[in-house]
Amino acid sequence: AQSVAQPEDQVNVAEGNPLTVKCTYSVSGNPYLFWYVQYPNRGLQFLLKYITGDNLVKGSYGFEAEFNKSQTSFHLKKPSALVSDSALYFCAVRDMNNAGNMLTFGGGTRLMVKP
Amino acid sequence: NAGVTQTPKFRVLKTGQSMTLLCAQDMNHEYMYWYRQDPGMGLRLIHYSVGEGTTAKGEVPDGYNVSRLKKQNFLLGLESAAPSQTSVYFCASSPGWGVSSTGELFFGEGSRLTVL
Repeated sequence: AQSVAQPEDQVNVAEGNPLTVKCTYSVSGNPYLFWYVQYPNRGLQFLLKYITGDNLVKGSYGFEAEFNKSQTSFHLKKPSALVSDSALYFCAVRDMNNAGNMLTFGGGTRLMVKP
Repeated sequence: NAGVTQTPKFRVLKTGQSMTLLCAQDMNHEYMYWYRQDPGMGLRLIHYSVGEGTTAKGEVPDGYNVSRLKKQNFLLGLESAAPSQTSVYFCASSPGWGVSSTGELFFGEGSRLTVL
């Protein structure tokens, strides 16, 4: 079984400050991890993924995420937040043995960036 | 550059009515998925397909049926709609898992269904 937890329903940050959106996961084998962003009334857009290799993954719009195997975490980060980053963010996991490539999503974290 | 297209985008049903949501993708992807999104619960997988003519149950399949008669289309049916099926439905596709795949899913814009 695979599962994802996003412990914060909402994260508030001032524009220009660094932001972190937290994600922890559980899988039976090695994980494939993803972050998606959803803007109002839109579908999910892919931000970045971790498959293997470097624990720090860089993605779209200046976002990055750090894979920490010992803490089973994959937190999303950005050094300087923009008001336009305000959206709903989803972490997702896939067990590498999942033949159907099915992703399990967390409950989502709403990011609010204030001017 | 359509990607994944869902129709209709909005629909209101009465309890007991039936309807079908259509998902079409033009990326020649092998895998397709139907998720539902509810507040605070993220996205939950309803059904999925790993190829034309195949379907499988996901996490919350009850009350839904699917068909994948053509590779590019994945239909989600509600035979007798219930208020608990009020949700936003997302279709997604993926090239499958192989050397050419990077694993991520590509999503449609969503279909908002209200069951009264």
